[in-house]
Amino acid sequence: AQKITQTQPGMFVQEKEAVTLDCTYDTSDPSYGLFWYKQPSSGEMIFLIYQGSYDQQNATEGRYSLNFQKARKSANLVISASQLGDSAMYFCAMREGRGQLTFGSGTQLTVLP
Amino acid sequence: NAGVTQTPKFQVLKTGQSMTLQCAQDMNHEYMSWYRQDPGMGLRLIHYSVGAGITDQGEVPNGYNVSRSTTEDFPLRLLSAAPSQTSVYFCASSYDRNNYGYTFGSGTRLTVV
Repeated sequence: AQKITQTQPGMFVQEKEAVTLDCTYDTSDPSYGLFWYKQPSSGEMIFLIYQGSYDQQNATEGRYSLNFQKARKSANLVISASQLGDSAMYFCAMREGRGQLTFGSGTQLTVLP
Repeated sequence: NAGVTQTPKFQVLKTGQSMTLQCAQDMNHEYMSWYRQDPGMGLRLIHYSVGAGITDQGEVPNGYNVSRSTTEDFPLRLLSAAPSQTSVYFCASSYDRNNYGYTFGSGTRLTVV
């Protein structure tokens, strides 16, 4: 069974609009962490945002927010006011156990001018 | 701080050759890990280490060996390269397994012909 599922292989958004990238996860570990990473065409992995399983509030980092719905096991990334530089591949990942990260297959986001 | 340094950035191997991908960090991180990224897929964990002298297998360990003799270095060895090992390899480190600050190296693009 997939531990991290990203159901949107590709997404388009108009510049300055908001976009939500979906992520669902599966774990029986009560302590886990959820991450979003951005991978531009240059290939590096850029950390965006983190949500711990015991965190009561949704994480926010500038234009990025994480919509954490624990009962539904979802951790969607919301990017507000999209910019052309946001065009990239976005990965959802989960940390559990001894610290291993499990990644989803990614969503390719394209921001249109 | 150099962060996580991976060498080489690019490598072409012939089937059956062996080589070592180097990973070094200068942040005194206990946790280090190796991932591979294939087209259309997220990163998959090969091996990880929670401290010097301790290593464990991830999701796709076959064909790879690791060792952790120092805190700083975590080399990945390909014993007998196969075309299926053509991939981009990322090394990542973190202060400990519960810390959300995973730092990724810039990657090694390996082609096996």
